[in-house]
Amino acid sequence: NAGVTQTPKFQVLKTGQSMTLQCAQDMNHEYMSWYRQDPGMGLRLIHYSVGAGITDQGEVPNGYNVSRSTTEDFPLRLLSAAPSQTSVYFCASGQGASEKLFFGSGTQLSVL
Amino acid sequence: AQTVTQSQPEMSVQEAETVTLSCTYDTSESDYYLFWYKQPPSRQMILVIRQEAYKQQNATENRFSVNFQKAAKSFSLKISDSQLGDAAMYFCAYRSNDMRFGAGTRLTVKP
Repeated sequence: NAGVTQTPKFQVLKTGQSMTLQCAQDMNHEYMSWYRQDPGMGLRLIHYSVGAGITDQGEVPNGYNVSRSTTEDFPLRLLSAAPSQTSVYFCASGQGASEKLFFGSGTQLSVL
Repeated sequence: AQTVTQSQPEMSVQEAETVTLSCTYDTSESDYYLFWYKQPPSRQMILVIRQEAYKQQNATENRFSVNFQKAAKSFSLKISDSQLGDAAMYFCAYRSNDMRFGAGTRLTVKP
């Protein structure tokens, strides 16, 4: 069982470039989400999905797009990268609300 | 929107002693779940303990226990007999439709 697979692990972008962070899970979880982690600010929710075809905004959605065409995949798109988007990004998935989230290993993104 | 507040950016404890990490949250919902996660330097997120809001009994997992005060919207984590391996960032989290995290508390364990 691979769990939650997140790619790439590291990425450097120039301001204005676009890119997609990939996230896939093989546990048939309905719930998937993206967080960014910045020093002193914990994990902040960017977008989440409660099932295929359903997405919703979290706390800090601006500058990011998501889609959920399958249960397994939940990619995060940066439309036009800005230095303020330099962060560590985590994808997570889970089943019911009482259950823990399973996290990917994280993506260290630097925007120059 | 639900918010989670951890008012202690850093805490320190002597090995074998007890430490309590604070967490408060704001919600208008009656049905939700609360969690504490541990994040060591590896960045892995490890579930420490969970609490269902409808349960009055405080959750316990070995050396970890919580003090859940629903009316006060407080959810503190107590670590007993602290060990060097407990040193990490600790995040409090609230889940109803989505999951929200606090800013974290960095715990240092002194030998």
